[in-house]
Amino acid sequence: AQSVSQHNHHVILSEAASLELGCNYSYGGTVNLFWYVQYPGQHLQLLLKYFSGDPLVKGIKGFEAEFIKSKFSFNLRKPSVQWSDTAEYFCAVTGGFKTIFGAGTRLFVKA
Amino acid sequence: GAVVSQHPSRVICKSGTSVKIECRSLDFQATTMFWYRQFPKKSLMLMATSNEGSKATYEQGVEKDKFLINHASLTLSTLTVTSAHPEDSSFYICSARQGEAYEQYFGPGTRLTVT
Repeated sequence: AQSVSQHNHHVILSEAASLELGCNYSYGGTVNLFWYVQYPGQHLQLLLKYFSGDPLVKGIKGFEAEFIKSKFSFNLRKPSVQWSDTAEYFCAVTGGFKTIFGAGTRLFVKA
Repeated sequence: GAVVSQHPSRVICKSGTSVKIECRSLDFQATTMFWYRQFPKKSLMLMATSNEGSKATYEQGVEKDKFLINHASLTLSTLTVTSAHPEDSSFYICSARQGEAYEQYFGPGTRLTVT
């Protein structure tokens, strides 16, 4: 069965710190990978996506993620976070027809 | 980016009544729409997947007779919560996708409160 695991449920960082959020998935076939963000009071928005090609993908607002097929991972990174990055981040995997979301990671950035 | 709307944004209903939530893709044709339920401080739980013109595929544990889904056109899907109970109170979110090779675009959600 398809599953997505996000390792950190809550992360607290100071501004300018580096961020890495882990995401691992299990699925036997070809996958499309996504990171979505939900800012307080807003709906889910796409941060970045991987379908094929270069496994290092760049998204909006300075975020990037690396697909490591051998590790079934798609970790999200940002070199220097800002207070405005405070939000909940969801990793999602589409395998075949279905998209499964991870449990989410709440990031709080201290100003 | 593509826009998905939901209506209503909030609804309060009495136990035993039915509530319909609409999900519309405003500027693209959605071959597939998804309905999720989001519990407080938890992730999105996929309830069902619907393709235009065909029956919805429900996830395990989701009662198809209670959560009726209709995807009548490429821009509209509806979720009807029938005979609502207080435990159905939740945040319901829809998303829409043009095809398998595309990302999902999410609606703003509908807060359902059953009294």
